[in-house]
Amino acid sequence: GENVEQHPSTLSVQEGDSAVIKCTYSDSASNYFPWYKQELGKGPQLIIDIRSNVGEKKDQRIAVTLNKTAKHFSLHITETQPEDSAVYFCAAKGPPYNNNDMRFGAGTRLTVKP
Amino acid sequence: DSGVTQTPKHLITATGQRVTLRCSPRSGDLSVYWYQQSLDQGLQFLIQYYNGEERAKGNILERFSAQQFPDLHSELNLSSLELGDSALYFCASSPRPGYGQETQYFGPGTRLLVL
Repeated sequence: GENVEQHPSTLSVQEGDSAVIKCTYSDSASNYFPWYKQELGKGPQLIIDIRSNVGEKKDQRIAVTLNKTAKHFSLHITETQPEDSAVYFCAAKGPPYNNNDMRFGAGTRLTVKP
Repeated sequence: DSGVTQTPKHLITATGQRVTLRCSPRSGDLSVYWYQQSLDQGLQFLIQYYNGEERAKGNILERFSAQQFPDLHSELNLSSLELGDSALYFCASSPRPGYGQETQYFGPGTRLLVL
């Protein structure tokens, strides 16, 4: 089955700086890669996702890049703000013929210092 | 608000007991997933249902079971509870996984405390 590794486990940045979180996956058949933000006491919230036929996707201050050859994908947050502080999870999902469920990374705790 | 609802929000019970967690998916979503999140841990996939049928199984203990009803709501049953079962339990739903509609939307979770 799929195995997703996420780094770093904790990340502290100054407000206004950029933050980058990286994930690798093991199953080359995986074709869908979402990113979730989880604030304290809440459920994970989808912030951006990318499919395997796309190399990069942007949504305002957030971008995700995918390198299928290397089997890794990254989340980039620019101009960070204190409200970006949360735990971020990456995930990977394979096609249905592999019967792959969604596999999540272990999470990155991002702290944005004012 | 994702549109996924879970009840109850909090649950406190004793070891050996049995509890039922309930989830209502987003309107129109056919698939429901259950996850367990222990303190400062990641999301552990438990089980998935699609249109009433079990679709995939993850690290679900034999003491745990789930089902999805004809109206698409789902219940997760946890029995013979142990202290280690204390965790957040999340339900997620997606429209039609496998048809390009596999984005999962999470509910607010049920916090279970076993004493």
